[in-house]
Amino acid sequence: SQQGEEDPQALSIQEGENATMNCSYKTSINNLQWYRQNSGRGLVHLILIRSNEREKHSGRLRVTLDTSKKSSSLLITASRAADTVSYFCATDGSGWSRGSQGNLIFGKGTKLSVKP
Amino acid sequence: GAGVSQSPRYKVAKRGQDVALRCDPISGHVSLFWYQQALGQGPEFLTYFQNEAQLDKSGLPSDRFFAERPEGSVSTLKIQRTQQEDSAVYLCASSPRLAGVENEQFFGPGTRLTVL
Repeated sequence: SQQGEEDPQALSIQEGENATMNCSYKTSINNLQWYRQNSGRGLVHLILIRSNEREKHSGRLRVTLDTSKKSSSLLITASRAADTVSYFCATDGSGWSRGSQGNLIFGKGTKLSVKP
Repeated sequence: GAGVSQSPRYKVAKRGQDVALRCDPISGHVSLFWYQQALGQGPEFLTYFQNEAQLDKSGLPSDRFFAERPEGSVSTLKIQRTQQEDSAVYLCASSPRLAGVENEQFFGPGTRLTVL
């Protein structure tokens, strides 16, 4: 598989705490996106960060990108029970030998559990 | 609703049976992608359409997989002579932009295929 890697694979926190998930990828990118996925549902786009950006905010979400380390992090502040889903990072296919038409290369995901 | 829809949501097939999975993208979206998601994994790219043209099919795992989008809107993914390893969730995504541009993708709920 040519997927990136999320870390940790599973994360359990208490409601109100912050959750941090990390993503590493292998080749050069134009942008990196984060998606969430409910069990049995499709993915929902959360945020996109361009390769020339270092940090981006959207509501309770904060994303960082370090292209020198080929890594990104997603921080969810003041977590809620409704945040209990899986989170995936996805890079564009520009740096991969397979898929150069803008398809997304996904990691394996982090399963977040927020306990009330 | 105005989102991406897929049908059927669930499909059980006997090994060797042919199946057809349908995707209705958001109206006017140029780009359409198919992904395969195995249990516990992130989605993996199968194929990409720009309008009716299939520009990338590098992710199709075998010649048993065939996709079409004849009028540049609805797409069908067909799997011939299904095998147990084809069991997965098949996700369709559309985007208003041409692939290669910042491409937030809008995902359907997926079709869960189980091959017995």
